[in-house]
Amino acid sequence: GAGVSQSPSNKVTEKGKDVELRCDPISGHTALYWYRQRLGQGLEFLIYFQGNSAPDKSGLPSDRFSAERTGESVSTLTIQRTQQEDSAVYLCASSLARGVYGYTFGSGTRLTVV
Amino acid sequence: DAKTTQPNSMESNEEEPVHLPCNHSTISGTDYIHWYRQLPSQGPEYVIHGLTSNVNNRMASLAIAEDRKSSTLILHRATLRDAAVYYCILRGSGAGSYQLTFGKGTKLSVIP
Repeated sequence: GAGVSQSPSNKVTEKGKDVELRCDPISGHTALYWYRQRLGQGLEFLIYFQGNSAPDKSGLPSDRFSAERTGESVSTLTIQRTQQEDSAVYLCASSLARGVYGYTFGSGTRLTVV
Repeated sequence: DAKTTQPNSMESNEEEPVHLPCNHSTISGTDYIHWYRQLPSQGPEYVIHGLTSNVNNRMASLAIAEDRKSSTLILHRATLRDAAVYYCILRGSGAGSYQLTFGKGTKLSVIP
C-alpha cells in the first residue's frame, strides 16, 4: 500500500480483556517496529522485526505484551489482561533494511482501557 | 542513541522562515541526524536526515554544524500545516540502532 496502515484506529476495552492491534507495513519494507506513546510523552520502543530474523523484543514492558509478524507482511501486537496504564497510542512503523534512511509511521491505534 | 537537546516550544509567523535548533554534543562519527515531525493525532512523519553535509528536500533544509555538535532544521516558509512537534534524533548505524529515541521535541506554533 501507499503507507503504513493500522487498525483499529481507536479501541476502548475493559480492564482485564485482551486486545489485538494490527499493522500493515509498506510493501517491500523488510523492517517493522512497534512504539507506544503515552499522552504528552515521547515514543517508547516496543519491538522490532527484520525479515526472518529473531525479533528484538527488548522494549516490551511485560509478558502481557507479545507481537508476531509473518515474513515481511502484517504484524499484530497483542496485549493480554489489559491494565489502565496500557492506555496509549500504539504506533507501527516500517522501513527498508534497518531504517538508516527513515521510517514511515502509521497513524496509530489509540487504546483506552476503562 | 546519543542524546539531543531541543527547545520545548517555538513560535513563528505564517509565511516566515523557521529555524529549529538541535544540540547533539555527544554525537559519534557514524550517527545520522534525523528529523521527524508529528502533527496532532498522527504518527511521526519523516522530514529529513543528514550525516555531514547540508541537505535539502521538498519539505525542509538541514544545516549541520562543521563539528556536527548541532544542527538546524529550516522551514523556508511556515504554513499553518507546519504546526507540529519536531523531533531531532540521532540514528546510529550499528546493531540496535533502530531503536529511535524520541524525546519531547519542539512544539512549533504558527501564527496566522
